[in-house]
Amino acid sequence: NAGVTQTPKFQVLKTGQSMTLQCAQDMNHEYMSWYRQDPGMGLRLIHYSVGAGITDQGEVPNGYNVSRSTTEDFPLRLLSAAPSQTSVYFCASSYGRDRLNTGELFFGEGSRLTVL
Amino acid sequence: AQSVAQPEDQVNVAEGNPLTVKCTYSVSGNPYLFWYVQYPNRGLQFLLKYITGDNLVKGSYGFEAEFNKSQTSFHLKKPSALVSDSALYFCAVRDTGNMLTFGGGTRLMVKP
Repeated sequence: NAGVTQTPKFQVLKTGQSMTLQCAQDMNHEYMSWYRQDPGMGLRLIHYSVGAGITDQGEVPNGYNVSRSTTEDFPLRLLSAAPSQTSVYFCASSYGRDRLNTGELFFGEGSRLTVL
Repeated sequence: AQSVAQPEDQVNVAEGNPLTVKCTYSVSGNPYLFWYVQYPNRGLQFLLKYITGDNLVKGSYGFEAEFNKSQTSFHLKKPSALVSDSALYFCAVRDTGNMLTFGGGTRLMVKP
């Protein structure tokens, strides 16, 4: 049972380049989300999904796109990278609105992105 | 909108001494509160949660947290700190959409 898997672990981009951070979970979780972690600011929610085909914006969505074509995958796309997007990105998943939902999030190991 | 504050950037404690990491929250309605721990170069790991019931919640690795509604606090505690407890600790509150809002984090340093 792999849990939540993120790739790549490290990436360096030039300003204006695009890329996709991959996230996959094998726990059949309905809810998936992307956070970014910056020093002193904790984790901030970028986008989230409550099920396949459904996505919504979080606290800091600008510059990012997401899609949820399957239950397992939730990729995060940077359309035109900017230095302000240098951060560590975490994908997380959890059960949906059912009796299994304790509110606990399961996190991936993170993807460290540097934009030059 | 809900919010979480962790007033201390860093907490230093000697091994064997009790530790407290502070958290205060602001929500409308009943709070669902969480503590997570992050070790270097790793994702966050769930420690414990408060949903309802007993104000003292026990979690993983000997940690516990005390919910205080009148003070809107949810402080993390451990009776006897270990060097291996050194890590970054995050308090979080869940909103009605099941998404978490995190505090800024507190770095715990336990010295031998």
